[in-house]
Amino acid sequence: EAGVAQSPRYKIIEKRQSVAFWCNPISGHATLYWYQQILGQGPKLLIQFQNNGVVDDSQLPKDRFSAERLKGVDSTLKIQPAKLEDSAVYLCASSSPNRGPPARNTEAFFGQGTRLTVV
Amino acid sequence: LAKTTQPISMDSYEGQEVNITCSHNNIATNDYITWYQQFPSQGPRFIIQGYKTKVTNEVASLFIPADRKSSTLSLPRVSLSDTAVYYCLVGDPPIKAAGNKLTFGGGTRVLVKP
Repeated sequence: EAGVAQSPRYKIIEKRQSVAFWCNPISGHATLYWYQQILGQGPKLLIQFQNNGVVDDSQLPKDRFSAERLKGVDSTLKIQPAKLEDSAVYLCASSSPNRGPPARNTEAFFGQGTRLTVV
Repeated sequence: LAKTTQPISMDSYEGQEVNITCSHNNIATNDYITWYQQFPSQGPRFIIQGYKTKVTNEVASLFIPADRKSSTLSLPRVSLSDTAVYYCLVGDPPIKAAGNKLTFGGGTRVLVKP
């Protein structure tokens, strides 16, 4: 089974520029998450999709961050304009609550992330 | 979602058993306890999940007392490659309409020394 694919792996931009990250979840996974992980901290949920609908975006800074999941498959996360404090690793994860026994349903699979540096 | 508290860091040596305890005093009746492992430069990886008593798989064991207000992840005979951050998560099982929520705390940094 192919894993969660993310691109790019690394990105360096200047503050006030825009950037976009792409995620391809595991095939058939209905739930997709975007997390922001600042160095030394645990991942912080930015947005959660169920198919192509938003379940939770309460911690997404909507004045500069946006995300979409067209057709309920791939997803993009955009930052415009970027700030220095946006420097972090952006992780995408997917899970499938509709398959298998409950214990395995809650397993989320993470991509390797995109490391963003804003200078 | 129940708040979790776990030690910030732990050191161990190769071959030893590592036990990480997570406190979750406000755990709800329907909440499951899940542990993830994160290596440097990688995304977190599911290790184990349980509801009560003991769960064991090829990687770890999870001990949950009767009151479920805490849980202990046990890593038997650790090696250098077990150096990672371990996260304890507590939450509802997934809902078909929304999936399940995954809220990470700060985790426990485990350093295995030779």
